[in-house]
Amino acid sequence: DAGITQSPRHKVTETGTPVTLRCHQTENHRYMYWYRQDPGHGLRLIHYSYGVKDTDKGEVSDGYSVSRSKTEDFLLTLESATSSQTSVYFCAISELGVQGGNQPQHFGDGTRLSIL
Amino acid sequence: DQQVKQNSPSLSVQEGRISILNCDYTNSMFDYFLWYKKYPAEGPTFLISISSIKDKNEDGRFTVFLNKSAKHLSLHIVPSQPGDSAVYFCAAIQGGSEKLVFGKGTKLTVNP
Repeated sequence: DAGITQSPRHKVTETGTPVTLRCHQTENHRYMYWYRQDPGHGLRLIHYSYGVKDTDKGEVSDGYSVSRSKTEDFLLTLESATSSQTSVYFCAISELGVQGGNQPQHFGDGTRLSIL
Repeated sequence: DQQVKQNSPSLSVQEGRISILNCDYTNSMFDYFLWYKKYPAEGPTFLISISSIKDKNEDGRFTVFLNKSAKHLSLHIVPSQPGDSAVYFCAAIQGGSEKLVFGKGTKLTVNP
């Protein structure tokens, strides 16, 4: 298995509080991604990073910010959590990008976030 | 507006038979397509991909077919095994982009 660790694995918090999810990799891959999965929507890209301090928005970036200060860590922050951000969040990593190589992305096992 | 559509939420097949999962897309700029498999409480795992310059790609029991004129692709699993029971996601991307667009998924159940 690719070395991806998401933390925490489960979190319950209240509306209006800040939340930070962490994705840690031991593969030294260049690309890292944050997705959310909701019933009826499949997976949707929130933000991704193509190198240290290099990030870009995805399909559903409103209400989220990211930071990547070192290769191995990609943080996703909800500055003021809302109930609509209740979801399962997946981190993914890729050495060559989605269209590079035979293994486009490896996913972590997800963080289940509930915002009450 | 859904750019990648998997219109069958679920599919049930007998062990040993063929499973066919379908996917349609609307964005003609997509030029690379992928299938992922997901078990409960785990992250998705990559299965197989196909470039728009091809119409078929095969990897063991898994074959993906692409019909560009119809904007349709399908994943064939032959023979199906109970361990194939999972949710299958179709995904698409434009050249040079990292913004992968997923369908909603199809839950495949393979009965022994």
